[in-house]
Amino acid sequence: GNSVTQMEGPVTLSEEAFLTINCTYTATGYPSLFWYVQYPGEGLQLLLKATKADDKGSNKGFEATYRKETTSFHLEKGSVQVSDSAVYFCALSTYGGSQGNLIFGKGTKLSVKP
Amino acid sequence: EADIYQTPRYLVIGTGKKITLECSQTMGHDKMYWYQQDPGMELHLIHYSYGVNSTEKGDLSSESTVSRIRTEHFPLTLESARPSHTSQYLCASKGQGSLTEAFFGQGTRLTVV
Repeated sequence: GNSVTQMEGPVTLSEEAFLTINCTYTATGYPSLFWYVQYPGEGLQLLLKATKADDKGSNKGFEATYRKETTSFHLEKGSVQVSDSAVYFCALSTYGGSQGNLIFGKGTKLSVKP
Repeated sequence: EADIYQTPRYLVIGTGKKITLECSQTMGHDKMYWYQQDPGMELHLIHYSYGVNSTEKGDLSSESTVSRIRTEHFPLTLESARPSHTSQYLCASKGQGSLTEAFFGQGTRLTVV
């Protein structure tokens, strides 16, 4: 079945450090891939997405590239800020399948220290 | 701004009470979802719907029930609340196809005492 695996946290970085959060997926067909962010006390909001192989999604300095050959969609940011402290979820969406065609990873908590 | 709303934001209720968590969206989305989020942050799908009169159970067994009488409305009901139901509940909706993203409400923090 379809699944998403992302690196476990928590991840603690100093301000201006480089961030990578790994995400790999298993899916039949050609899924779309997403990164969502959840700030404390809030729901999830879309951070970026990619809908086909080699697409790069980007937003707010974050980037992720859809790599079909390695079934990966790693999230990166060159210089994190304290305001980036949040929980990050990798997700995929497919045609067909179970669970409403939407699968999330377990989430990675990021804390950025000044 | 996502047009999906959950009420209440916070609810403290006694054991045995019946509660309904409301979720409404104005985007005309057919797909809607309820997730339970544990303190470790993982999302657990408890119910979803593909459209009016369609409801399915998710991968986490739940004593709650849902209904989908109108496209925009997807309420979740607990007939008899217990302390084990204490959690964060998130509602989401999604358009058709795999290319579209899901939109989330701000969540309901439920505490059963």
